[in-house]
Amino acid sequence: DTAVSQTPKYLVTQMGNDKSIKCEQNLGHDTMYWYKQDSKKFLKIMFSYNNKELIINETVPNRFSPKSPDKAHLNLHINSLELGDSAVYFCASRPQGHNEKLFFGSGTQLSVL
Amino acid sequence: KQEVTQIPAALSVPEGENLVLNCSFTDSAIYNLQWFRQDPGKGLTSLLLIQSSQREQTSGRLNASLDKSSGRSTLYIAASQPGDSATYLCAVLSGSRLTFGEGTQLTVNP
Repeated sequence: DTAVSQTPKYLVTQMGNDKSIKCEQNLGHDTMYWYKQDSKKFLKIMFSYNNKELIINETVPNRFSPKSPDKAHLNLHINSLELGDSAVYFCASRPQGHNEKLFFGSGTQLSVL
Repeated sequence: KQEVTQIPAALSVPEGENLVLNCSFTDSAIYNLQWFRQDPGKGLTSLLLIQSSQREQTSGRLNASLDKSSGRSTLYIAASQPGDSATYLCAVLSGSRLTFGEGTQLTVNP
């Protein structure tokens, strides 16, 4: 009954590989996000979708491609992984409306070797 | 572009102390400000949300204030406990974008 769930929790892969991280929320929220948390723990927004429509793309390299098959899912596909992609990636969601709390998944720790 | 700053970056206090964490933001055109807690290896948990029209919000031992015109918020933690040890992040919502500060790492020593 997890509200925002991400898989996998850990991902270790070689440079140049392509990988995906999945996110699902069962809260009925309209807006979903991907955030990247670097080694200094700074959280930076990558993408935001509202009802399957991309509304924020924060100048992320086009090797990163989000896909939202429905409003409960926002998956992140990464092509040609680089060392600098190593980070913790968080999915989050919130309902429509400006004064609604954001709910986070538990994160996916990506290590590129 | 919205920028959010938190001070101090780290804080260590003995159990029982009251403490204040600070957050400042550069663009006062915000919808709300949220305070989050992050435990090591975990996701973020929303603690308090203050709407732009509000001055403060309280939840248990936590009290958050907002001075939108000066671009500042504080999180007050009363009677701190070791279980409060975590990283506390503030974030402001401008448009559809939630911008985070870098967090304050709090350690409460028994």
